[in-house]
Amino acid sequence: NAGVTQTPKFQVLKTGQSMTLQCAQDMNHEYMSWYRQDPGMGLRLIHYSVGAGITDQGEVPNGYNVSRSTTEDFPLRLLSAAPSQTSVYFCASSPHQGITDTQYFGPGTRLTVL
Amino acid sequence: GNSVTQMEGPVTLSEEAFLTINCTYTATGYPSLFWYVQYPGEGLQLLLKATKADDKGSNKGFEATYRKETTSFHLEKGSVQVSDSAVYFCALSFLRNTGNQFYFGTGTSLTVIP
Repeated sequence: NAGVTQTPKFQVLKTGQSMTLQCAQDMNHEYMSWYRQDPGMGLRLIHYSVGAGITDQGEVPNGYNVSRSTTEDFPLRLLSAAPSQTSVYFCASSPHQGITDTQYFGPGTRLTVL
Repeated sequence: GNSVTQMEGPVTLSEEAFLTINCTYTATGYPSLFWYVQYPGEGLQLLLKATKADDKGSNKGFEATYRKETTSFHLEKGSVQVSDSAVYFCALSFLRNTGNQFYFGTGTSLTVIP
């Protein structure tokens, strides 16, 4: 198993550009989520999904879109990048949506918006 | 609302010293509690968890006990090693009607010197 994979590892964007961060898992996990990690802020939940076709907002959803057309993939879209979106982004998955389930994290994408 | 507060870092210890990283939480209902560890350049990985009051989670010499009366989940290790140098995150998971959500603390950086 590759686990949770994220691409790209690094990305530089200009303000106003759009891009999609890719996330895939090969563990047949129901639950997937996106976080951003900022210094002094810990990890904050952006969006999550409890299964294909079902998504919901987390703490900081503004400026980001998601969709979940398959169990394996959960892309995060930035429609018009802003410098405030400079961050490290982590995708995570867990087997089910139970509160006792462990989350498995990808290696992260470091995004810089100029 | 739900939140996690953990001890500010950075923390620097000598090898074989005793480690405590404090974590307290605010939550409605009955969350599960987690400690995750992040090594440099990597994603987070589960260190230990506890899913109900008075449970003790343990792994690799680390321990934490879910204390409902003090809303705490402090991380301890009796004798740290250089390889324990990392950032440690306390987190809680609670159930919304659309699925569970995680809240993370801001992280505590630990450096262990030989």
